[in-house]
Amino acid sequence: NAGVMQNPRHLVRRRGQEARLRCSPMKGHSHVYWYRQLPEEGLKFMVYLQKENIIDESGMPKERFSAEFPKEGPSILRIQQVVRGDSAAYFCASSPGTGTYNQPQHFGDGTRLSIL
Amino acid sequence: RKEVEQDPGPFNVPEGATVAFNCTYSNSASQSFFWYRQDCRKEPKLLMSVYSSGNEDGRFTAQLNRASQYISLLIRDSKLSDSATYLCVVSRMDSSYKLIFGSGTRLLVRP
Repeated sequence: NAGVMQNPRHLVRRRGQEARLRCSPMKGHSHVYWYRQLPEEGLKFMVYLQKENIIDESGMPKERFSAEFPKEGPSILRIQQVVRGDSAAYFCASSPGTGTYNQPQHFGDGTRLSIL
Repeated sequence: RKEVEQDPGPFNVPEGATVAFNCTYSNSASQSFFWYRQDCRKEPKLLMSVYSSGNEDGRFTAQLNRASQYISLLIRDSKLSDSATYLCVVSRMDSSYKLIFGSGTRLLVRP
């Protein structure tokens, strides 16, 4: 199965801890997008990365959140000092590139983050 | 005002019914248009891309009106398995092609 792989599926953290969410794009895809879905709300864009580059982080909270997509390995979304309001489903999507528009993005199963 | 607006529903229809969802977008620079489907607590799945000429995929028909900035999805002969939330999505090059989601329209198909 060469789909977008996210782990863990569920993550429980206590307030103040760190959360690390991982995403491996589909084979052949070099563009990764992270989205967040708060309870009972729609998906909101957070960050767009290519290998070793953050292209657009306009949707990322200014503090505590960071993302990377290293040359080797998965993309990581890191949340430091988590608070209750960080509880959400975090989805990663990948696409082959933006050379041609109208390329759909394919989503992973998501990570459900719960903050105690 | 949200960039993508949808009627939240729910639409409650019997099996076999035809149901239509509408969506409007506010940014005229939007270039790409999609309908995604999301089942409860699952990831969004691409249902279909939407093209200017309109397009059909089996029981699903999508239409785009760029002048009115309006997108529609028609589902014919509804099945129980069509019950889900339908997400209207747009993107554009000057915004990194990130997907901009509507809040979704919930569909319930009853026996």
